[in-house]
Amino acid sequence: GEDVEQSLFLSVREGDSSVINCTYTDSSSTYLYWYKQEPGAGLQLLTYIFSNMDMKQDQRLTVLLNKKDKHLSLRIADTQTGDSAIYFCAESKRGSSYKLIFGSGTRLLVRP
Amino acid sequence: DTEVTQTPKHLVMGMTNKKSLKCEQHMGHRAMYWYKQKAKKPPELMFVYSYEKLSINESVPSRFSPECPNSSLLNLHLHALQPEDSALYLCASSQAEIGGYTFGSGTRLTVV
Repeated sequence: GEDVEQSLFLSVREGDSSVINCTYTDSSSTYLYWYKQEPGAGLQLLTYIFSNMDMKQDQRLTVLLNKKDKHLSLRIADTQTGDSAIYFCAESKRGSSYKLIFGSGTRLLVRP
Repeated sequence: DTEVTQTPKHLVMGMTNKKSLKCEQHMGHRAMYWYKQKAKKPPELMFVYSYEKLSINESVPSRFSPECPNSSLLNLHLHALQPEDSALYLCASSQAEIGGYTFGSGTRLTVV
């Protein structure tokens, strides 16, 4: 089935690392994405990982994929107050005609 | 130009009004999307256009009518909406079936 789950809220202190977790149920997922949404704004693509990869790093962002457990995580190093936002994971499948399935979103609050 | 532009940013309409939301991109993307997002919820797919043809309609009520006049433009015509249709309407585009979407900043619609 198509079900992507995330924890609702995460609070961290500025300068610490943040880890946002996501689980999905569809093993045929091809690509997995992380999007950021600031208040009143659209969604910004942060990074994505192909399902045959275990890890992807892009500056402060590290994505880990455990395909066996269908678990995806986003680690933000040296978290800043500007990172406060809602983070959505999403999955897509080849042959699904461009359909992107979003998780429920995790609200990240960075405390000074 | 790496943006998806949506107009208007805010719209208030009565239940008997007819209005249109507009979306434009000049990245050469061949797929365009309409999503609806209620407060504190993830975006929900409404329509997908691929090469200017409607490829997905997620059982959206007929009071929402999409149109793709050319490869750069996507419209959403609204007629006889209900207050529960109030939401953030997001447009997105992508180059291929698999890959990140680029989202616009959305139109915040209020139906009174």
